[in-house]
Amino acid sequence: NAGVTQTPKFQVLKTGQSMTLQCAQDMNHEYMSWYRQDPGMGLRLIHYSVGAGITDQGEVPNGYNVSRSTTEDFPLRLLSAAPSQTSVYFCASSPRQGTYEQYFGPGTRLTVT
Amino acid sequence: LAKTTQPISMDSYEGQEVNITCSHNNIATNDYITWYQQFPSQGPRFIIQGYKTKVTNEVASLFIPADRKSSTLSLPRVSLSDTAVYYCLVAVYSSASKIIFGSGTRLSIRP
Repeated sequence: NAGVTQTPKFQVLKTGQSMTLQCAQDMNHEYMSWYRQDPGMGLRLIHYSVGAGITDQGEVPNGYNVSRSTTEDFPLRLLSAAPSQTSVYFCASSPRQGTYEQYFGPGTRLTVT
Repeated sequence: LAKTTQPISMDSYEGQEVNITCSHNNIATNDYITWYQQFPSQGPRFIIQGYKTKVTNEVASLFIPADRKSSTLSLPRVSLSDTAVYYCLVAVYSSASKIIFGSGTRLSIRP
């Protein structure tokens, strides 16, 4: 199994541009989530999904959209990038919502200029 | 939401046992305590999770007193490769939106 994969690894955007960060898992996990991590900080939950077709907001959802059309994929869309969205983004999955043994991807380092 | 408080940093030496304590005074009845490890430029890795008393796996032990207002992650005989940031999380078992990562404890192991 590849586990949780994220693309791209690095991305530079100009203010106002939009883009989609890709996340996929091959473990048939129901629960998936997106976090952002700013320098020297812990992770903050952006959005999460408890199964295909179901998504909900986390702690810092503004400026981001998600969808979950399949169990495997959970893309994160930045609608209009802002410098405040410069961060490292991590995708994670777990077998079910009721456990916090989450498996994290390698991250996407995003810079917005 | 239960907030956690951990030491910002700790230092130790190879071969020592390291104990990292996390305070969570407002923990709720349904909250579980989970610890993650994060190396630079990597995503966090699950270490251990518990509800009360003691939990042990091949990597660490987790001690939770009866009042559950704190917990202690114990790493036996650390090595240089245990240098990382360790996060204590407290979250409602059935509510993913309540997951809060604090700032973590930066553990440095010296030869």
